[in-house]
Amino acid sequence: RKEVEQDPGPFNVPEGATVAFNCTYSNSASQSFFWYRQDCRKEPKLLMSVYSSGNEDGRFTAQLNRASQYISLLIRDSKLSDSATYLCVVNRWKFYFGSGTKLNVKP
Amino acid sequence: DGGITQSPKYLFRKEGQNVTLSCEQNLNHDAMYWYRQDPGQGLRLIYYSQIVNDFQKGDIAEGYSVSREKKESFPLTVTSAQKNPTAFYLCASSKASGGDDEQFFGPGTRLTVL
Repeated sequence: RKEVEQDPGPFNVPEGATVAFNCTYSNSASQSFFWYRQDCRKEPKLLMSVYSSGNEDGRFTAQLNRASQYISLLIRDSKLSDSATYLCVVNRWKFYFGSGTKLNVKP
Repeated sequence: DGGITQSPKYLFRKEGQNVTLSCEQNLNHDAMYWYRQDPGQGLRLIYYSQIVNDFQKGDIAEGYSVSREKKESFPLTVTSAQKNPTAFYLCASSKASGGDDEQFFGPGTRLTVL
């Protein structure tokens, strides 16, 4: 079983839509959690860390459910510039990456 | 500006040649990592180092070698033993290998074997 699993998508949504990505992790001893964004042919960049209480940064909301070993990312009011691949990352002495969920925001 | 640099951005290699990819960071991070990414795939860990003069194999270390003689530098050598080296190589660093610290990535090196 993979350490981190994500729906690969693609998610094709119109501008202004709300879209949610989910991610599950297999090891309950995982310590910290992140969402990264990767544009085509570029390096991943940190979008936000994910805290147990949930956290929000503008249009982006991240949630962590340790009991279910589940992480989510919600994007509200999608913009064309949100089109990218979103990587779920779990840290347990090493960083474990999901294979990413591709988002296409259409005009 | 603090960050991670990788060079070269693009690299072409003939079969049978060894090549070394450079990775330098000025973030004063203890931990450094090398990943490989193939088209449409996730990141796979090649090697990582938690401290100077120490490093561990990741999930796909065969055909690669590293050194960590200085805190800021973690070069990766792709040897001729690596059967399918064409890929996008990403170097990353973090303050430590555990805890709450995120990873920062360099811009990557695209290696093509001709």
